[in-house]
Amino acid sequence: EVQLVESGGGLVQPGGSLRLSCSASGFTFRGNALHWVRQAPGKGLEYVSAISSNGGSTSYADSVKGRFTISRDNSKNTLYLQMSSLRVEDTAVYYCVKEDRDGYNSFDYWGQGTLVTVSS
Amino acid sequence: QSVLTQPPSVSGAPGQRVTISCTGSGSNIGAGYDVHWYQQLPGTAPKLLIYGNSNRPSGVPDRFSGSKSGTSASLAITGLQAEDEADYYCQSYDSSLRAVFGTGTTVTVL
Repeated sequence: EVQLVESGGGLVQPGGSLRLSCSASGFTFRGNALHWVRQAPGKGLEYVSAISSNGGSTSYADSVKGRFTISRDNSKNTLYLQMSSLRVEDTAVYYCVKEDRDGYNSFDYWGQGTLVTVSS
Repeated sequence: QSVLTQPPSVSGAPGQRVTISCTGSGSNIGAGYDVHWYQQLPGTAPKLLIYGNSNRPSGVPDRFSGSKSGTSASLAITGLQAEDEADYYCQSYDSSLRAVFGTGTTVTVL
């Protein structure tokens, strides 16, 4: 059974930093691209960042570029999102998402999410 | 920031058919990228409902169907049931190969 378990969320002041982790199991971790998607309270889904299966390629939403860094450790089956210079508008539930390997590039499994609250 | 447009809400009586549209542009859906649909039940994470425009993952009832044409896509739910009350999102990619989501649609069963 595929499992994605996020951790590291919490309350942080504007301008602060936080690192999210996503521990994965139930599939060949090094074989899949992974993403972070967020959802602000009462709002829709927003793409945040993506990383290729070997970590060699990354992409970011314009809203987080230069402030967030995605990475992965394939030896630990773990995905990370380092967030810095946090803003109030970064408040959201952050989901770790697995991309399928069938060539459709859909998001076939989602974690339960971790809440990040940026507030003074 | 959503670049794919969906109606905010749709509703129907049990057993009826409802459709949700997803309108993009030539730089995403119209560029040939597949459209996927997700269902988000209240208080839970999204779940893949339709992938590759019209394919259902194992376990998804055949009441759900998807289609794509030009710069738009649609999700149809036939035989609407109470447990279908949820938020639905379409998703595709843009020319930078970044994922783009729809604005989301709330389905209400009357």
